Amino acid sequence: SQKIEQNSEALNIQEGKTATLTCNYTNYSPAYLQWYRQDPGRGPVFLLLIRENEKEKRKERLKVTFDTTLKQSLFHITASQPADSATYLCALPLYNFNKFYFGSGTKLNVKP
Amino acid sequence: DTAVSQTPKYLVTQMGNDKSIKCEQNLGHDTMYWYKQDSKKFLKIMFSYNNKELIINETVPNRFSPKSPDKAHLNLHINSLELGDSAVYFCASMGSTDTQYFGPGTRLTVL
Repeated sequence: SQKIEQNSEALNIQEGKTATLTCNYTNYSPAYLQWYRQDPGRGPVFLLLIRENEKEKRKERLKVTFDTTLKQSLFHITASQPADSATYLCALPLYNFNKFYFGSGTKLNVKP
Repeated sequence: DTAVSQTPKYLVTQMGNDKSIKCEQNLGHDTMYWYKQDSKKFLKIMFSYNNKELIINETVPNRFSPKSPDKAHLNLHINSLELGDSAVYFCASMGSTDTQYFGPGTRLTVL
């Protein structure tokens, strides 16, 4: 079965630094990978999608890479701010996108 | 306007009761999902619907019965609630952009 791993420990960084979060997966070659942000007591919010034929995707201060050989995606937040503190989830689609597996998420704490 | 809404936000009930959670999306999406997020924050898919038809049932106990009266609505009925059903339940929808939109969640507590 599909296994998705994200750093289970919280990531603590100083404001202004770059945060890098990792998503590793096994047993599958997804057509794309998604990243979501989840704040306490709220539903996940879509951030970025990167397809299997894309190496890198950017959106403002966010950057995602996708290495299908390593079966890994990296999610970067540059010039991090305390408002970036949240849990970040990666997700992979299966079965014609009718099913998604999510990682357990990495909690990011950005300290002022 | 809220894209995906769920009611109720909180649900506290006794073991053995039957309860329902409602979900509505105004995005015009064809695909809707129910997810369960447990205390360890794992978000696990339960059901997937496409155009009112059940596509995926992720080995969920048959005490859980989803119903989609139309493309914009996907409700979840749970019979004979058990302690282990306590979790946050999220509804989501997806259109042609491969982006899932999640509702605010329903926190279910079974006593």
